[in-house]
Amino acid sequence: GAVVSQHPSRVICKSGTSVKIECRSLDFQATTMFWYRQFPKQSLMLMATSNEGSKATYEQGVEKDKFLINHASLTLSTLTVTSAHPEDSSFYICSARDRGGGRYFGPGTRLTVT
Amino acid sequence: GIQVEQSPPDLILQEGANSTLRCNFSDSVNNLQWFHQNPWGQLINLFYIPSGTKQNGRLSATTVATERYSLLYISSSQTTDSGVYFCAVQETSGSRLTFGEGTQLTVNP
Repeated sequence: GAVVSQHPSRVICKSGTSVKIECRSLDFQATTMFWYRQFPKQSLMLMATSNEGSKATYEQGVEKDKFLINHASLTLSTLTVTSAHPEDSSFYICSARDRGGGRYFGPGTRLTVT
Repeated sequence: GIQVEQSPPDLILQEGANSTLRCNFSDSVNNLQWFHQNPWGQLINLFYIPSGTKQNGRLSATTVATERYSLLYISSSQTTDSGVYFCAVQETSGSRLTFGEGTQLTVNP
């Protein structure tokens, strides 16, 4: 089946620094990638949708200048959390959609900002 | 946007018991999926079921699109079934997948 990878799986950074999370579709081309955030014991909340080669569409309340999304190729999307603060600590999950509409989720990245 | 409600929020079972999880949604959908999130956070796709009934081993699901609900059945539950079960839907008008709040299932030995 289709596989989506994320890197890193876990990251700890200091407040004020930036962190980049990569999401890759390993054996298919992802026309669209989605980034979700999940706080402990809560559901997944969609942050943004990105199509290859175009700007991401952010959900209401998500700061586009803080959460930079780049979808430079059909197999790679990156999420950069800029000037991270402790409240940005969360579980970030990407999802990739293939040309047939199938959706596949990455294993998630746990971000801790100290 | 579309509203997705899951019930019950928490469920505790003894190994071997059966259970039914419910997902109600507020508008027409062209995609409905059930996921199991394991303790490490990985989302495992259980069913893609915008309508009808599907079965996969001890799990089965039914979606009645006209009445805007879906049910996930787990039979002969095992401790490895523990985790959070999410229902997620895609509205006919868009591409985003909206998740319900999940059902936290605990299966005790």
